[in-house]
Amino acid sequence: KAGVTQTPRYLIKTRGQQVTLSCSPISGHRSVSWYQQTPGQGLQFLFEYFSETQRNKGNFPGRFSGRQFSNSRSEMNVSTLELGDSALYLCASSTGVSRAYQAFFGQGTRLTVV
Amino acid sequence: AQKVTQAQTEISVVEKEDVTLDCVYETRDTTYYLFWYKQPPSGELVFLIRRNSFDEQNEISGRYSWNFQKSTSSFNFTITASQVVDSAVYFCALSEGTDSWGKFQFGAGTQVVVTP
Repeated sequence: KAGVTQTPRYLIKTRGQQVTLSCSPISGHRSVSWYQQTPGQGLQFLFEYFSETQRNKGNFPGRFSGRQFSNSRSEMNVSTLELGDSALYLCASSTGVSRAYQAFFGQGTRLTVV
Repeated sequence: AQKVTQAQTEISVVEKEDVTLDCVYETRDTTYYLFWYKQPPSGELVFLIRRNSFDEQNEISGRYSWNFQKSTSSFNFTITASQVVDSAVYFCALSEGTDSWGKFQFGAGTQVVVTP
């Protein structure tokens, strides 16, 4: 069974640009969550999508957005990039029907903003 | 406020020693789930163990064991007979609340370094 696939693995962007990250969950999983990991703030929840609807959202500015497609693949977009957006972005895939099940994480996209 | 606290920043051990990682959590919910994840240098978080709030039975799974005590809000994790491959950052995570599907609150992580 294929794992969670995140693309691209690495990105370098300039301040002010926008970026789109992609996450393909495990087949059959309907929930995709996104996390930002930085040395200073640790792992922080961005948002969760379930069956194409945003079900939960963390405390991030509106520059961070996402969406989920009918095949459960998800994208997250960051507009007007800031230096502080440099981070490892992780996506997690789960069935979404019970919190009793663990989430499976991808290897992440490392975004560097210069 | 930090809901999951991992007080140990880094633990260094020699191979075959046991390693115990501490985790203290805070929640007002009666139903919640606790997890331990491992993050090797490759970056992905690897699931290790899960426990729900109604099950305080402590178990052993291979070289892993955990001690869940609701009275002290602690969920400690032990690696027995550590190996070099156990070197990674270990995260304790909490899932709570009826509106928090897919949302984990992670601790700051504990770096484990196992030397030969």
